[in-house]
Amino acid sequence: DAGVTQSPTHLIKTRGQQVTLRCSPKSGHDTVSWYQQALGQGPQFIFQYYEEEERQRGNFPDRFSGHQFPNYSSELNVNALLLGDSALYLCASSLMVDTQYFGPGTRLTVL
Amino acid sequence: AQSVAQPEDQVNVAEGNPLTVKCTYSVSGNPYLFWYVQYPNRGLQFLLKYITGDNLVKGSYGFEAEFNKSQTSFHLKKPSALVSDSALYFCAVRGSGGGSYIPTFGRGTSLIVHP
Repeated sequence: DAGVTQSPTHLIKTRGQQVTLRCSPKSGHDTVSWYQQALGQGPQFIFQYYEEEERQRGNFPDRFSGHQFPNYSSELNVNALLLGDSALYLCASSLMVDTQYFGPGTRLTVL
Repeated sequence: AQSVAQPEDQVNVAEGNPLTVKCTYSVSGNPYLFWYVQYPNRGLQFLLKYITGDNLVKGSYGFEAEFNKSQTSFHLKKPSALVSDSALYFCAVRGSGGGSYIPTFGRGTSLIVHP
């Protein structure tokens, strides 16, 4: 039984560019949440998707957007990248509001 | 608003000794509490959770945590530490109702187990 998977593992972009990160949830899970983890910090909640709709959103600007597909997989898009967007981006999946299980993350570096 | 405090940035313990990683929380209503572990350049791995019931919760890899409602604490413990337990540990809390089911994480505590 595959756990949560994310792609790519690492990504390097320059300021102003756009990036798309992908996540496949654990089998049987229908809810996907995205987090940003800066160096030395705990994960900060970006948003959560359920039934292909954004159900809840954290304190992140509109440059951060997402999507959930019918197979429950999800994408995180970030536009107009800033140096401060450099972080580990974590995807977590759950069955509705049950315990969240995390993927390995995507390390984004903005130069 | 809900919050988590992990008062120690780093905990050092000798292999074979008991370990404790501290966590206190603030949340409206009954808490759901979680511990996760993160190894370098990896995602968070679920260890254990408290929802209701027995205040002592047992989890993966010999870890356990004790829920103390009066002290609003949920400390992580292990009777005998291993060098391989060295990692970053995160405590998280969320409320049991009210519309928000998103956990809030602490800043993390680095556990270093010395041989």
